Amino acid sequence: DIVMTQTPLSSPVTLGQPASISCRSSQSLVHGDGNTYLSWLQQRPGQPPRLLIYLISNRFSGVPDRFSGSGTGTDFTLKISRVEAEDVGVYYCMQATQFPYTFGQGTKLDIK
Amino acid sequence: EVQLVESGGGLVQPGGSLRLSCAASGFIFTSYWMSWVRQVPGKGLEWVANIKQDGSEKFYADSVNGRFTISRDNAKNSLYLQMNSLRAEDTAMYYCATILLSAYNIWGQGTMVTVSS
Repeated sequence: DIVMTQTPLSSPVTLGQPASISCRSSQSLVHGDGNTYLSWLQQRPGQPPRLLIYLISNRFSGVPDRFSGSGTGTDFTLKISRVEAEDVGVYYCMQATQFPYTFGQGTKLDIK
Repeated sequence: EVQLVESGGGLVQPGGSLRLSCAASGFIFTSYWMSWVRQVPGKGLEWVANIKQDGSEKFYADSVNGRFTISRDNAKNSLYLQMNSLRAEDTAMYYCATILLSAYNIWGQGTMVTVSS
């Protein structure tokens, strides 16, 4: 199974400041079809997860442009350019390149 | 409105069975692979199973393979998860989700399954 490792596991951030979450996979996420099936999810308290980013860097419909994704191969990053109060929650990276799909442990983002 | 609504969760004894349902509306159900994902309260996400648009392909996590069965009824816009031989470690919130470009783009609110005597 591909192991997804996120850092940090907790990130206290000041409102208006940037935040960054790293996700590393135990093997390359490049699929045989050339795509890299790495996505990012946000889970606000008491809510189901919500898709933010797919295929490394594509923002899903309705996701603010302060969220961006980057990376290649085994190293990926989610960045929030200016954190807002509504961004509080847990963020997960997920790989769907190979079965079983696997998730990172989650990174808890809260406000200082 | 695009929506997935799960139902069928509850309290069941170890070794028992439950059938979860997920009703889809507001989008073309037959266009999507579908999936079940679970989450122990306060913990992370775990993929459970996937099913292709026409039901011809199914994939399962090792932890549920042989005990759980994913299915769908496209005429009813519904997804199901038959869970047999339930164990305490199956206790979790169960979400159904659509898959687009191998990412979970639509999620339901979840249904809670508790396995306990």
